[in-house]
Amino acid sequence: DAGVTQSPTHLIKTRGQQVTLRCSPKSGHDTVSWYQQALGQGPQFIFQYYEEEERQRGNFPDRFSGHQFPNYSSELNVNALLLGDSALYLCASSLQGAHYGYTFGSGTRLTVV
Amino acid sequence: AQSVTQLDSQVPVFEEAPVELRCNYSSSVSVYLFWYVQYPNQGLQLLLKYLSGSTLVKGINGFEAEFNKSQTSFHLRKPSVHISDTAEYFCAVSGDEGTGKLIFGQGTTLQVKP
Repeated sequence: DAGVTQSPTHLIKTRGQQVTLRCSPKSGHDTVSWYQQALGQGPQFIFQYYEEEERQRGNFPDRFSGHQFPNYSSELNVNALLLGDSALYLCASSLQGAHYGYTFGSGTRLTVV
Repeated sequence: AQSVTQLDSQVPVFEEAPVELRCNYSSSVSVYLFWYVQYPNQGLQLLLKYLSGSTLVKGINGFEAEFNKSQTSFHLRKPSVHISDTAEYFCAVSGDEGTGKLIFGQGTTLQVKP
């Protein structure tokens, strides 16, 4: 049973560019959450998607946007990249109503130069 | 607003010794509490969680934690650590908000020495 799959694993972008990160949830899960983990810090909640809608959002600017597809997979888009966006981006999937049964992916390491 | 404080950024310990990683939280509502472990270049793995019921929670790999509401703490313990326990440990809290976002602490690096 595949867990949460994220792609790509590593990415290098230039300031001002745009990036798209992808997440396939664990089989049977219908909810996807995204977190940003800066070096030496704990993960910070970006947003959560359920039924193809953003359900809750953390304290991140509008440059961060997302999407969920009918097959429950999700994308995280970041526009106008800043050096400070360099981080590990984690995707977590879960099943609505199954209390906090999150499964995390291994993340995408984004480096902005 | 909810927050989590992990009181130690690094905890060095010798193999087979006991260890405690400390976590305090603040919340004005009912809380759910978690400990996650992160090995190098990997995602987060759930060690244990407290949702309700018994305040002593047992998790994987021999870890356990105790929920103390009066002290707003959720410390993680293991009676005898192994080299393989070397990793980053995160305490997290989530309130009864329906959507279940997690708020993480800054992390504690557990360094197990031979």
